[in-house]
Amino acid sequence: DAGVIQSPRHEVTEMGQEVTLRCKPISGHNSLFWYRQTMMRGLELLIYFNNNVPIDDSGMPEDRFSAKMPNASFSTLKIQPSEPRDSAVYFCASSVDNLGAFFGQGTRLTVV
Amino acid sequence: KQEVTQIPAALSVPEGENLVLNCSFTDSAIYNLQWFRQDPGKGLTSLLLIQSSQREQTSGRLNASLDKSSGRSTLYIAASQPGDSATYLCAVSYTGGFKTIFGAGTRLFVKA
Repeated sequence: DAGVIQSPRHEVTEMGQEVTLRCKPISGHNSLFWYRQTMMRGLELLIYFNNNVPIDDSGMPEDRFSAKMPNASFSTLKIQPSEPRDSAVYFCASSVDNLGAFFGQGTRLTVV
Repeated sequence: KQEVTQIPAALSVPEGENLVLNCSFTDSAIYNLQWFRQDPGKGLTSLLLIQSSQREQTSGRLNASLDKSSGRSTLYIAASQPGDSATYLCAVSYTGGFKTIFGAGTRLFVKA
């Protein structure tokens, strides 16, 4: 298995633009997590899905952030409009029934 | 409030030394605890997963222990090598919600 695949690996965008981050979980995994990592706040859980259904989105910082999981093999995290303070590394992870998470390589987002 | 604390924040040791990284958590009703390794600019790599019913897990030179009653876990690294230099993160997952909380990590540097 190729592991959790995220795209793009790097994204540089201007303030106010829409940003879409993509994630393909490991086949057969039924839980998917989106995290954000910054130097100041460390790793923060934004949202997680179980069987494609959002279970807890209490970590989503603002209404500008939204996430979808239309099927078991794909998820998106969208920021609209983006702001400089959204600059961070965004990680996607997947697991089977929370039996240990496997992380993707992350998307480094820079909003200028 | 559920919190995960890692001590020390940074550690520098000579090659060959045995070392212990500490993780403490405030809510003992955990589902499992996972230790990760993160290299600079990279994603997280799972090292060991301990279920709540287990007391320890071992993989090669690594040994992780779990004491739920005291809210602590330790990661023991035997005969450290320069290649072990990385940030080590402790993550605690809680029952009934798949909610995973990460510690801030311990940055390890092993000197050759």
